[in-house]
Amino acid sequence: AQSVTQLGSHVSVSEGALVLLRCNYSSSVPPYLFWYVQYPNQGLQLLLKYTTGATLVKGINGFEAEFKKSETSFHLTKPSAHMSDAAEYFCAVSSGGGADGLTFGKGTHLIIQP
Amino acid sequence: DTGVSQNPRHKITKRGQNVTFRCDPISEHNRLYWYRQTLGQGPEFLTYFQNEAQLEKSRLLSDRFSAERPKGSFSTLEIQRTEQGDSAMYLCASSPRATSAEAFFGQGTRLTVV
Repeated sequence: AQSVTQLGSHVSVSEGALVLLRCNYSSSVPPYLFWYVQYPNQGLQLLLKYTTGATLVKGINGFEAEFKKSETSFHLTKPSAHMSDAAEYFCAVSSGGGADGLTFGKGTHLIIQP
Repeated sequence: DTGVSQNPRHKITKRGQNVTFRCDPISEHNRLYWYRQTLGQGPEFLTYFQNEAQLEKSRLLSDRFSAERPKGSFSTLEIQRTEQGDSAMYLCASSPRATSAEAFFGQGTRLTVV
């Protein structure tokens, strides 16, 4: 069984400040890891993914995440927050086989203070 | 490529009525998923199709729910005898064959059962 824990249901940062959204996972097989962003009343858009290879992955809109196997973590960061980053962020894990879909965390609502 | 399309975007129904949602995946994506998302939660996996075959169903998918994907193209999700607890956003996603491929999500159908 797989699970995802996102620490902090709400995170507030000032515009221009570092964004750090935390994600820890549990998986019995080597995981595929994803971060998605969701704007109000919209579907989910992929920010970035880790499958194999380089543990630091870069995504869209200046986001990046680092896979740390020893810590079972996949935290999302962005050096400088922008007002347009305000949204709900979901971390997800997959076994890679496809049949079981993605297991999502409960999400973190990112608030950007002007 | 117009992305994953879901219809309707919103549905309000009375308790006990049947509803049907449609999902048109990205063309040539042979994998299709349905998820349910309730307020303040991440999406939860409901079912998975590979082409026209329904290969996986979550225990969340009670016998009032049925999904089809005739000819491996669009998919429908039907809920019979709706209950207030069925109120949620229903998301459809598709992905190509590669096991590491991310899922592309539609904008969802928001169901309200009154």
